[in-house]
Amino acid sequence: EDQVTQSPEALRLQEGESSSLNCSYTVSGLRGLFWYRQDPGKGPEFLFTLYSAGEEKEKERLKATLTKKESFLHITAPKPEDSATYLCAVQATSGTYKYIFGTGTRLKVLA
Amino acid sequence: EAGVTQFPSHSVIEKGQTVTLRCDPISGHDNLYWYRRVMGKEIKFLLHFVKESKQDESGMPNNRFLAERTGGTYSTLKVQPAELEDSGVYFCASSQVPGLEQYFGPGTRLTVT
Repeated sequence: EDQVTQSPEALRLQEGESSSLNCSYTVSGLRGLFWYRQDPGKGPEFLFTLYSAGEEKEKERLKATLTKKESFLHITAPKPEDSATYLCAVQATSGTYKYIFGTGTRLKVLA
Repeated sequence: EAGVTQFPSHSVIEKGQTVTLRCDPISGHDNLYWYRRVMGKEIKFLLHFVKESKQDESGMPNNRFLAERTGGTYSTLKVQPAELEDSGVYFCASSQVPGLEQYFGPGTRLTVT
């Protein structure tokens, strides 16, 4: 069964304290892995797409990487405005285009 | 460019009543998806439209849920009759191409009492 697991569930960082969020996945074949940011009361906001192992994408303080079994979202020198829930989703090659989501990591960055 | 919009933002209904949720995708996006999150769980797929056709409805929980996309523009998701376990946040998303990123609306919070 296709599955996505994110860790940790919650993370508190001091402003400027870098860290990484993990997304491990089990799918028959990976079509793509997607990272989203979600603020309270809002819909998920697209961040990155990764398609193959070894691929990396960067945007401001965020960098996403992909291996054959997991993806990391690295946050460098975070600011309070980076506080949000970060969601990972995968699309499998099994013929449909649905997202399989993890439960997310709630990040709180303290000033 | 306007994003995905959903209406209403919040709906409170009694068990046994009917509710209809609406989603307007990004203009030009032929692919439209419905998802929902129930309390404490991950967001789960419901169905996928390509234009007006249902491409994948494997996530629809039962026949109390009916999704339509007449004319291939906006979509509606009707729940009839609503049950307590239908409470949650219903998200709509759209994409230009199926394998590319999906853009999500703000969601409709449904509360069934």
